[in-house]
Amino acid sequence: AQSVTQLGSHVSVSEGALVLLRCNYSSSVPPYLFWYVQYPNQGLQLLLKYTTGATLVKGINGFEAEFKKSETSFHLTKPSAHMSDAAEYFCAVSEETNAGKSTFGDGTTLTVKP
Amino acid sequence: SQTIHQWPATLVQPVGSPLSLECTVEGTSNPNLYWYRQAAGRGLQLLFYSVGIGQISSEVPQNLSASRPQDRQFILSSKKLLLSDSGFYLCALNRRQPRYYGYTFGSGTRLTVV
Repeated sequence: AQSVTQLGSHVSVSEGALVLLRCNYSSSVPPYLFWYVQYPNQGLQLLLKYTTGATLVKGINGFEAEFKKSETSFHLTKPSAHMSDAAEYFCAVSEETNAGKSTFGDGTTLTVKP
Repeated sequence: SQTIHQWPATLVQPVGSPLSLECTVEGTSNPNLYWYRQAAGRGLQLLFYSVGIGQISSEVPQNLSASRPQDRQFILSSKKLLLSDSGFYLCALNRRQPRYYGYTFGSGTRLTVV
């Protein structure tokens, strides 16, 4: 069975500071890993994904994430936070053999202070 | 590009009334389709998924049902709503191949049962 744990339900950073959102996963097979962003009262939008190959993946809006198999982690980072980054972020794991279903973490709300 | 149309955006329904939420897909064919529910401040709970017309898998025993009468149409229904059915409902699609493409979400329906 697959599962995701997002450490920290709320993260607050100052504008221009480093953003680090933590995600650990559990999967019985090589996982596919995703980060999504959700703005209030909207659906989720895919930020980036890891499937195979390069373990450092880059996404939209300057975000990137690194897959670390030994740590079962897929943390999301951005070097410099912008006010527009304030949103809720979800980490998700999917397995190839599971009808493409994704299991989501509980989400992390990012607040960016001016 | 693929898109999901989901409506209505908001809905207030009395306890015991029926429910029908619909989403339609454009830009791709033969997708896997999913219904998720998001409770306030929580992650996403998978309710149903479908790998083809008439094929529905239920993930959680509940007061809801789903149907897929056409390839690009996915419907969530209830005969009698409960207070606990309140939440934010999201329809999502995933391409069959490759499955690791990641989800495309609709804009969601906020359901309040009163």
